[in-house]
Amino acid sequence: DAKTTQPPSMDCAEGRAANLPCNHSTISGNEYVYWYRQIHSQGPQYIIHGLKNNETNEMASLIITEDRKSSTLILPHATLRDTAVYYCIVRPTGANSKLTFGKGITLSVRP
Amino acid sequence: DAMVIQNPRYQVTQFGKPVTLSCSQTLNHNVMYWYQQKSSQAPKLLFHYYDKDFNNEADTPDNFQSRRPNTSFCFLDIRSPGLGDAAMYLCATSRVGTLQETQYFGPGTRLLVL
Repeated sequence: DAKTTQPPSMDCAEGRAANLPCNHSTISGNEYVYWYRQIHSQGPQYIIHGLKNNETNEMASLIITEDRKSSTLILPHATLRDTAVYYCIVRPTGANSKLTFGKGITLSVRP
Repeated sequence: DAMVIQNPRYQVTQFGKPVTLSCSQTLNHNVMYWYQQKSSQAPKLLFHYYDKDFNNEADTPDNFQSRRPNTSFCFLDIRSPGLGDAAMYLCATSRVGTLQETQYFGPGTRLLVL
């Protein structure tokens, strides 16, 4: 079972920041927070992951609370092409470590 | 560009007629996964290969089999497709042992069972 909870949907205006929340209150010390997204009719795409420090790459920023029980994915300047289902996933590292997808959050970016 | 390739993108089969979906990768990753994604649902892991070692998920039906003849290719065989097997089938790869162990997904094959 997925160890994360996300709101079912949210929207934001094009050009604005999209802040996508995720709760993972039962996360263990060796578990990372991963974010993937799936644009309609495509395969999931890796966005970013982190353990306890905030992370940033060319796609997004990941803010993890100090107690690691929740995190926020930030798309700094959302575009229409960012409309997708975003999955927050908790998984340990190591061989045979699985991605267990929850229901995700549907982000709709409006013009 | 290195990538995960799935062919065909759409596959139509008849009820009970065996079907094979294919996946290939140019990433030289040692792990390959197969997921099933039904309409409006999240992807669900069916099984994966860690090199040549096959790892089946406990709730994957026996109707689903897989083969990995070499590092680059992996096949999903559905022995007797039922109407409930209509779904998107996603292949993914990863290189275990790297810091990220990110999974890279192919575009998927959408299976229709008539």
